[in-house]
Amino acid sequence: NAGVTQTPKFRILKIGQSMTLQCTQDMNHNYMYWYRQDPGMGLKLIYYSVGAGITDKGEVPNGYNVSRSTTEDFPLRLELAAPSQTSVYFCASSWQTGNNSPLHFGNGTRLTVT
Amino acid sequence: EDKVVQSPLSLVVHEGDTVTLNCSYEVTNFRSLLWYKQEKKAPTFLFMLTSSGIEKKSGRLSSILDKKELFSILNITATQTGDSAVYLCAVGSGGSNYKLTFGKGTLLTVNP
Repeated sequence: NAGVTQTPKFRILKIGQSMTLQCTQDMNHNYMYWYRQDPGMGLKLIYYSVGAGITDKGEVPNGYNVSRSTTEDFPLRLELAAPSQTSVYFCASSWQTGNNSPLHFGNGTRLTVT
Repeated sequence: EDKVVQSPLSLVVHEGDTVTLNCSYEVTNFRSLLWYKQEKKAPTFLFMLTSSGIEKKSGRLSSILDKKELFSILNITATQTGDSAVYLCAVGSGGSNYKLTFGKGTLLTVNP
């Protein structure tokens, strides 16, 4: 039982490059989320999804895109990387909506944009 | 704008000490308060609180919510070096729309 799996663990991008952060969960959770965590700051929600085919913006969606074609997968796309996107990215999932049930987090992707 | 404030931001104690971490909040339409522990990687769930005055307990950790004064505390008794981590407080709010606001966390360091 793997839980929430994120790849890659680390990545260095040059300004203007694009990449996709992968996230998959095997718990059959409908709800999935992408957060970013900057040093000394709390987790900020980028995008979330309440089920396959349904996504919505969080607090800090600019510069990112998501898709949810299956229950298991929720990739996060950065189109034109900027230094402000240097952060640790966490994917999470939950059985019910995350303000009413615990989140299960992946181990994070540390992204540096130079 | 919803706010979650944790205090202190960092704390250094010796093994065996008891610590109390604080989380205060101002949100619209409160639904829940959750505590997470974050060591090197992923945050892991500790407690979810929805009702005032009911203590949740797990081993040496306990937590309680005061919905009148809008805060929660997380207590850790007989601390161990393995308790060293960032403790995150998150408050769930809103109606049908998902909303979860995280505090900045408290960095706890337990020295031997």
